[in-house]
Amino acid sequence: EPEVTQTPSHQVTQMGQEVILRCVPISNHLYFYWYRQILGQKVEFLVSFYNNEISEKSEIFDDQFSVERPDGSNFTLKIRSTKLEDSAMYFCASVGGVGNEQFFGPGTRLTVL
Amino acid sequence: QKEVEQNSGPLSVPEGAIASLNCTYSDRGSQSFFWYRQYSGKSPELIMFIYSNGDKEDGRFTAQLNKASQYVSLLIRDSQPSDSATYLCAARGYNDYKLSFGAGTTVTVRA
Repeated sequence: EPEVTQTPSHQVTQMGQEVILRCVPISNHLYFYWYRQILGQKVEFLVSFYNNEISEKSEIFDDQFSVERPDGSNFTLKIRSTKLEDSAMYFCASVGGVGNEQFFGPGTRLTVL
Repeated sequence: QKEVEQNSGPLSVPEGAIASLNCTYSDRGSQSFFWYRQYSGKSPELIMFIYSNGDKEDGRFTAQLNKASQYVSLLIRDSQPSDSATYLCAARGYNDYKLSFGAGTTVTVRA
């Protein structure tokens, strides 16, 4: 069964460094999402992406964040200058199926020191 | 902004019992509702979705939706220890697929 994959599973970085989180959505899906979940808190929407451009972004998704689909398969989230409060699980999701469900990847745990 | 609220739990039920989870939402424009299961440190895993008023059954799970009351519930019948997890309720609007999540209800099934 096709699934969303994410790499790396865990990323440790120093404050102020750039990180790139990678996702491979399910191949015939067209809508892609990034969410984050700070430890012990709810899953929060960051950004949605369709037709090679951002369709919606949340207040969290400020100028430090960017998304790209550089090669038609990978979908990346870049954080330019990480802050301590960026430490969280980051989930990629793609939309498909009978009910246009969102299928989540396994997540990347980002730890900013 | 769609607000989704869940009873905070934790909810502890004996093995074989029914676990009942509740969720309310603030935006009447919400059209579809999703229940996800999340094990600690893992990603949300879709259990089922519902978009019509009434009940929808899938194996041991039954989702119920009442749009007039803005209320969604999930029943887990014959609860098993492997059902111990956090259950997330999520709402989605008509014209977009973005999900708004509740904080989740943690369920523990006692063997």
